[in-house]
Amino acid sequence: GAVVSQHPSWVICKSGTSVKIECRSLDFQATTMFWYRQFPKQSLMLMATSNEGSKATYEQGVEKDKFLINHASLTLSTLTVTSAHPEDSSFYICSARDRSYGTQYFGPGTRLTVL
Amino acid sequence: GDSVTQMEGPVTLSEEAFLTINCTYTATGYPSLFWYVQYPGEGLQLLLKATKADDKGSNKGFEATYRKETTSFHLEKGSVQVSDSAVYFCALSPHNNNDMRFGAGTRLTVKP
Repeated sequence: GAVVSQHPSWVICKSGTSVKIECRSLDFQATTMFWYRQFPKQSLMLMATSNEGSKATYEQGVEKDKFLINHASLTLSTLTVTSAHPEDSSFYICSARDRSYGTQYFGPGTRLTVL
Repeated sequence: GDSVTQMEGPVTLSEEAFLTINCTYTATGYPSLFWYVQYPGEGLQLLLKATKADDKGSNKGFEATYRKETTSFHLEKGSVQVSDSAVYFCALSPHNNNDMRFGAGTRLTVKP
């Protein structure tokens, strides 16, 4: 089946630094990718939707200058958490929508811990 | 707006017990409905889906039927195994829409 990868799978960083998370669709093209955030024992909250070659659409309450999203190709989207703080610690999950069939596939997630 | 409400957990069952996790939805139009499973430390995996009323999704012994009259998509399995222990999310995707809305998740623990 279709595979979505995320890198890194986990990252620990100091407060004030920036962290980039990559999301790749490995065997299909994704015109649309989604970024979710999941707090412990809670559901996924959609942060933003990114379409290849255009600006991301952010959900209400999500700071676009804080969470920079780039979707430069049909197989890669990146999320950069800028000037990270401990409250940004979370599990970040991306998903990619198959261009041909419209099915959404999820990545394995990236656990970010900000000290 | 469109939303999903699912049964609160946690749910603890003995092996071979019958499982039901309730899920109801609110939507305008005709959404697609999904169940996802998340094993500890991992991302979400699609378990099953249904795209129109009366469709039944099934996979790995799990099944759910899209009930438009009751706006429900309850997940069932006749005999659970220890390996089914995970968090289960009900979700909907509005018709012709990229977005996906998730329920709160239900944690299932199956004991030997």
